[in-house]
Amino acid sequence: DSGVTQTPKHLITATGQRVTLRCSPRSGDLSVYWYQQSLDQGLQFLIQYYNGEERAKGNILERFSAQQFPDLHSELNLSSLELGDSALYFCASSLTETSGPSTDTQYFGPGTRLTVL
Amino acid sequence: GDSVTQMEGPVTLSEEACLTINCTYTATGYPSLFWYVQYPGEGLQLLLKATKADDKGSNKGFEATYRKETTSFHLEKGSVQVSDSAVYFCASLGNFNKFYFGSGTKLNVKP
Repeated sequence: DSGVTQTPKHLITATGQRVTLRCSPRSGDLSVYWYQQSLDQGLQFLIQYYNGEERAKGNILERFSAQQFPDLHSELNLSSLELGDSALYFCASSLTETSGPSTDTQYFGPGTRLTVL
Repeated sequence: GDSVTQMEGPVTLSEEACLTINCTYTATGYPSLFWYVQYPGEGLQLLLKATKADDKGSNKGFEATYRKETTSFHLEKGSVQVSDSAVYFCASLGNFNKFYFGSGTKLNVKP
């Protein structure tokens, strides 16, 4: 158990809908990262927040957005869902920003499996 | 831009065989390098890491050496076990806090 929790575990929805995925980082961790893992695109980094502020952006679509709240939990919002958005969405957390050559370890949650029908 | 390339799987080995999973990277600057492991139905776990050239990361019998001259970070284990069956991801962390993951290599170890 990494200490990172994600809810829900599974989510089934229809195209065009909007969903929110939630992540609670490990106690004391200030950074939260979101990843998408799909069969065709592999594991892709989406976005990072540190202490409530966006820190890094990866391959995140404009239909997706995220935020980190004062209690440090984070939500990933996916809107206008398409079939291709079906994937496992992972959240990870780390203590610091992990910038430059720093190698702060990321701890991954168990993931939320999103199925878009 | 930065990227990570790792050998395609699946890799199927008998127990106690030697393992090598190749990983090469492209980066501007000198990234930190990682190997993560994903067991069925679980999230990724950090297996080992290296932060600079010639560093060797090691954990649970696995090793990988950061080779700047060949831009590689190959994962090795001298004797695999059935419990090592999982998907292994090579990753780099470069500038601007961005992580880049390889496509993953599935390892199947048969008794």
